[in-house]
Amino acid sequence: GAVVSQHPSRVICKSGTSVKIECRSLDFQATTMFWYRQFPKQSLMLMATSNEGSKATYEQGVEKDKFLINHASLTLSTLTVTSAHPEDSSFYICSARDIGTSGGVYEQFFGPGTRLTVL
Amino acid sequence: DAKTTQPTSMDCAEGRAANLPCNHSTISGNEYVYWYRQIHSQGPQYIIHGLKNNETNEMASLIITEDRKSSTLILPHATLRDTAVYYCIVRDWGKLQFGAGTQVVVTP
Repeated sequence: GAVVSQHPSRVICKSGTSVKIECRSLDFQATTMFWYRQFPKQSLMLMATSNEGSKATYEQGVEKDKFLINHASLTLSTLTVTSAHPEDSSFYICSARDIGTSGGVYEQFFGPGTRLTVL
Repeated sequence: DAKTTQPTSMDCAEGRAANLPCNHSTISGNEYVYWYRQIHSQGPQYIIHGLKNNETNEMASLIITEDRKSSTLILPHATLRDTAVYYCIVRDWGKLQFGAGTQVVVTP
């Protein structure tokens, strides 16, 4: 399957600082990328959908001013957690939809995740 | 997108087939059934998907009932590395929304 990378894999920061997480599709182009968050022992929760060249669409209850998403190219999307607090500590996972898949059916590939710890 | 119901957990013996059920009684005609799995502290991994015909790939087989209201993911020869949470998801062109999934533990 296609490869999606995330950087960094793990980050620890102080409360009040901002953290940027990068998501790249390495061997395919993705017009749409997704950001998920996962708390311990819980399932993945979709945060937002990111379309290349346009504003992200956020799920209900997700603060768009706190979680800034930029999708500037077909292979890169970034998530910036602004003014992070301990409750933002979580596992953040990005996903990319393969633009090349035909027939109305597509595969969606996930990155390895970024573990954010806010002290 | 239609909701799915999966058992919370399953145990499976190494080397045996693992059959993972999923109910999706409200599935509509243009919705596909997708299976992903997540090994601890990793991103989800795509396994297989299908519409109405049974599907097989190098990882697993997907059996969908004729009325499409349920499906079964089959791991033919489970290994210890198959221990993971398995998610059954139904959707058309929409977003992948994850439920609680089934925690599968493969034991020696």
